[in-house]
Amino acid sequence: AQTVTQSQPEMSVQEAETVTLSCTYDTSESDYYLFWYKQPPSRQMILVIRQEAYKQQNATENRFSVNFQKAAKSFSLKISDSQLGDAAMYFCAYRSSYGGSQGNLIFGKGTKLSVKP
Amino acid sequence: ETGVTQTPRHLVMGMTNKKSLKCEQHLGHNAMYWYKQSAKKPLELMFVYSLEERVENNSVPSRFSPECPNSSHLFLHLHTLQPEDSALYLCASSQDWGAGGQPQHFGDGTRLSIL
Repeated sequence: AQTVTQSQPEMSVQEAETVTLSCTYDTSESDYYLFWYKQPPSRQMILVIRQEAYKQQNATENRFSVNFQKAAKSFSLKISDSQLGDAAMYFCAYRSSYGGSQGNLIFGKGTKLSVKP
Repeated sequence: ETGVTQTPRHLVMGMTNKKSLKCEQHLGHNAMYWYKQSAKKPLELMFVYSLEERVENNSVPSRFSPECPNSSHLFLHLHTLQPEDSALYLCASSQDWGAGGQPQHFGDGTRLSIL
């Protein structure tokens, strides 16, 4: 079974600085999808960024980018020019490319990011 | 307008009460999900409905009973809950069930407290 590990329960960053959140996963599959979700306090969980395993190029969405290392099974999220609104729980998630039950999202425990003004 | 709406936002109930959580999605999606979110634990998938059919039931106690009357609505009926059931319950939807890169869209959740 696949697993997702986020080894940093909490992280802190100064406003305007850069922070990297770690995520590792375990799978025997070669084709899958990886996601980072953001959950602000008392607000909706939203998708931040998505990576397809068969694409070597790292995904980027504005200030958010990933460092996808397939061989190492690592999928870190970099937030550049951190803003106060980036403070949230961040969840890394894995999904098999197969459908059905195998395609259910598997989440890590999350990393709580604080942004200091 | 949020794509996935959950009501109520907060619910406090005794162990002998019966209550229901409601989820509605306005995205035209075919799959809907219930998750349980507890502190310091990964999100736990509880139930999945695809085209109004339950396709996943992850060893959830029978005191939780889901219902999907149509593709836009999902309910979670609660009865005789235990204190350990206190958690944030999240509803999500996606275009199709378990289909590759499609993201899931989440509601705000219902914060449930069992007295």
